[in-house]
Amino acid sequence: GENVEQHPSTLSVQEGDSAVIKCTYSDSASNYFPWYKQELGKGPQLIIDIRSNVGEKKDQRIAVTLNKTAKHFSLHITETQPEDSAVYFCAASNGGGTSYGKLTFGQGTILTVHP
Amino acid sequence: GAGVSQSPRYKVAKRGQDVALRCDPISGHVSLFWYQQALGQGPEFLTYFQNEAQLDKSGLPSDRFFAERPEGSVSTLKIQRTQQEDSAVYLCASSLGGLAGTQETQYFGPGTRLLVL
Repeated sequence: GENVEQHPSTLSVQEGDSAVIKCTYSDSASNYFPWYKQELGKGPQLIIDIRSNVGEKKDQRIAVTLNKTAKHFSLHITETQPEDSAVYFCAASNGGGTSYGKLTFGQGTILTVHP
Repeated sequence: GAGVSQSPRYKVAKRGQDVALRCDPISGHVSLFWYQQALGQGPEFLTYFQNEAQLDKSGLPSDRFFAERPEGSVSTLKIQRTQQEDSAVYLCASSLGGLAGTQETQYFGPGTRLLVL
């Protein structure tokens, strides 16, 4: 089955700096890669996703890049703010088919943005 | 509109007790997933429903875990004879479609935190 590795496990930055989180996946059939933000006591919330036919996607301060050949994808947050502090998870899925779109998650990155 | 809701939010059980966790998906969502999230880890897939049909239960850790969605909306995850290793957050997620070959956003509920003593 799919295996997703996520690094770093913790990331501390100063407000205004950029933050980068990287993930690798093992199943070449995976074609959907969402990123979720999870705050304490809450469920994961989708912040951005990318599909395999796209190399990069941007939404305001957040961008995701995908390298299918190397089987890795990254989350980039620019101009970080204290409210960006949370746990971030990457995930991968072979959308539809017999996997029915179930997500395989990375281990998470605890991002702390210091004012 | 209303998102995915789960109840109870917290559950403390004595080892050996049975528990039932409820998920109310977003109205009209065909697909429903259950995930288990251990402390400090990412969520792990348990089972998947398309309407009332349980199409994938490959992630259920043992036959003590049972899930149902009898009318294709609300789902219940039941754990029989709970063990300490069952302590985790149980997350429910729903998505709009259920067509093979598609991948739609999964919206997660707040989870039920289960502690087995």
